[in-house]
Amino acid sequence: DQQVKQNSPSLSVQEGRISILNCDYTNSMFDYFLWYKKYPAEGPTFLISISSIKDKNEDGRFTVFLNKSAKHLSLHIVPSQPGDSAVYFCAARDGGGAQKLVFGQGTRLTINP
Amino acid sequence: KAGVTQTPRYLIKTRGQQVTLSCSPISGHRSVSWYQQTPGQGLQFLFEYFSETQRNKGNFPGRFSGRQFSNSRSEMNVSTLELGDSALYLCASSSGLEAYGYTFGSGTRLTVV
Repeated sequence: DQQVKQNSPSLSVQEGRISILNCDYTNSMFDYFLWYKKYPAEGPTFLISISSIKDKNEDGRFTVFLNKSAKHLSLHIVPSQPGDSAVYFCAARDGGGAQKLVFGQGTRLTINP
Repeated sequence: KAGVTQTPRYLIKTRGQQVTLSCSPISGHRSVSWYQQTPGQGLQFLFEYFSETQRNKGNFPGRFSGRQFSNSRSEMNVSTLELGDSALYLCASSSGLEAYGYTFGSGTRLTVV
């Protein structure tokens, strides 16, 4: 039972263009959604989060959009830079009060010069 | 401020042995959670401790256990190791308040042979 899904294992984008990473979820009890960036052999690095009561959050080049009715969120990176090449994980926090994150399978983003 | 420290970084064990991994959270953080990352299953929640009490546990067998000390440092133990336990084990610390406050360590790469 995969509650958080990232259906695209990989994405290739040209430098300077917009990168859009998508994530779908099934559990209506999730209260926060987070995006992490990960390099091999390192721990995930937090990028941006959004509360389930919001529909947009922006931080510099990163914007996360949440569509609760569709149970869908997306991460937009504009403009994309070579240093953005990494695996991106979508995660959702179980709203039951426990500090538990449910992760998607990840999307490998490659920014081409 | 210092980040989350996990030791050791790499570990090789034999099937049937047991292993203990250590995590020192960010100073002041009282919540420590553990995750297992494997190529097939992605990042999966193991358990979370807050003020020395286990608050939540994932769907892992009883061979996986943990504890938290009064200084918030946490240890994770896996007994009777199996080949399938080979993974990157990640620890995350949080103040327990903000949903975005999860900071991950670099992980311990465990190889079971």
